[in-house]
Amino acid sequence: NAGVMQNPRHLVRRRGQEARLRCSPMKGHSHVYWYRQLPEEGLKFMVYLQKENIIDESGMPKERFSAEFPKEGPSILRIQQVVRGDSAAYFCASSRPPPGPTNEKLFFGSGTQLSVL
Amino acid sequence: KQEVTQIPAALSVPEGENLVLNCSFTDSAIYNLQWFRQDPGKGLTSLLLIQSSQREQTSGRLNASLDKSSGRSTLYIAASQPGDSATYLCAPRKAAGNKLTFGGGTRVLVKP
Repeated sequence: NAGVMQNPRHLVRRRGQEARLRCSPMKGHSHVYWYRQLPEEGLKFMVYLQKENIIDESGMPKERFSAEFPKEGPSILRIQQVVRGDSAAYFCASSRPPPGPTNEKLFFGSGTQLSVL
Repeated sequence: KQEVTQIPAALSVPEGENLVLNCSFTDSAIYNLQWFRQDPGKGLTSLLLIQSSQREQTSGRLNASLDKSSGRSTLYIAASQPGDSATYLCAPRKAAGNKLTFGGGTRVLVKP
């Protein structure tokens, strides 16, 4: 059972370009969470999605950022017109549908390191 | 809004010593709390999940305690090894399916 897969592992973009980050959850997991980690800072929640639904996007900037989790395929975090301040590690996590003690653990991917030149 | 604080921010110990990592959170109405380990440049590995109704959870050399009413959790690592060197993060969760809120982490270095 493969873990949470994120790609690309590293992404370099110039200011003004678009960045697309992909996350394939673990098999049987239908809930996806995106987090951002700035250098020397903790992980900050961005968005929580179920298939075809955004459940909580309270941590996502209102402009330039969007996320989706289609019925088929990976979850995508999209950043338009990137700026230097977007440089960070972006982590995706997945879980089974709650509730239930065994369903509550979040499993994280290895992250995508975004560098904006 | 939940605020999570981890003390100390960094810890350096000789191999074999026991580690005590503290986590405090401002909103004690939590559903569960998860401890993670993060190695440099890597993702997070789940260590222990403790439900709000539990007082502690154990896995091998790791033991996590939870005092929900006072908003505290402690991670104990017995007989530390150099391979335990990493950043340890705690993350309480307010409700089932809800997001995790992370502390800033404790960076641990175990010297051989």
